[in-house]
Amino acid sequence: EDKVVQSPLSLVVHEGDTVTLNCSYEVTNFRSLLWYKQEKKAPTFLFMLTSSGIEKKSGRLSSILDKKELFSILNITATQTGDSAVYLCAVVGGYGGSQGNLIFGKGTKLSVKP
Amino acid sequence: SAVISQKPSRDICQRGTSLTIQCQVDSQVTMMFWYRQQPGQSLTLIATANQGSEATYESGFVIDKFPISRPNLTFSTLTVSNMSPEDSSIYLCSVGGYFGYTFGSGTRLTVV
Repeated sequence: EDKVVQSPLSLVVHEGDTVTLNCSYEVTNFRSLLWYKQEKKAPTFLFMLTSSGIEKKSGRLSSILDKKELFSILNITATQTGDSAVYLCAVVGGYGGSQGNLIFGKGTKLSVKP
Repeated sequence: SAVISQKPSRDICQRGTSLTIQCQVDSQVTMMFWYRQQPGQSLTLIATANQGSEATYESGFVIDKFPISRPNLTFSTLTVSNMSPEDSSIYLCSVGGYFGYTFGSGTRLTVV
């Protein structure tokens, strides 16, 4: 059965700290791995990773994929209170009629204290 | 990337009734996905909607409970039928492609 596992499930840090969120996966027909930030209802897209070892960066956020070890990390440096959210990892996989759908992990709830 | 307009944003419904959620995409897309997010949980795929064919449902979801329409390449609806309090969730539509996957703004459904 396809699965995506995120750790930790929750994390409390102080402003200015650096955090690393983890995502491991076992998915048939892997295509890509995506990271999202969810604050209210709709997840907001952060990164899409398809190749191993290539870091993607956007401001204080960065992410990298290891397709050999089947995991990805999301780093946030110099955290701010506005970074407080649930961070979701999702993998594009599946086959048959569901090909191309996202398989989500349970998410990491990040709380940044002032 | 595509922009999706989803409505309603939220609703409070009586048990036994039905609610139809709409998603309009600003470009033509082949596949649209419908997800459910129960309180405190992650997103679970309900079904994949292709234009011109029946939707494909995931294990645990059936067409009688969650009928889906896909009349053209920019629009889809999901109906939550004969609702019970267990259907209280956030419902999200999504489209995907090489650019990534975009979500509608979500519908927060409360069944009382």
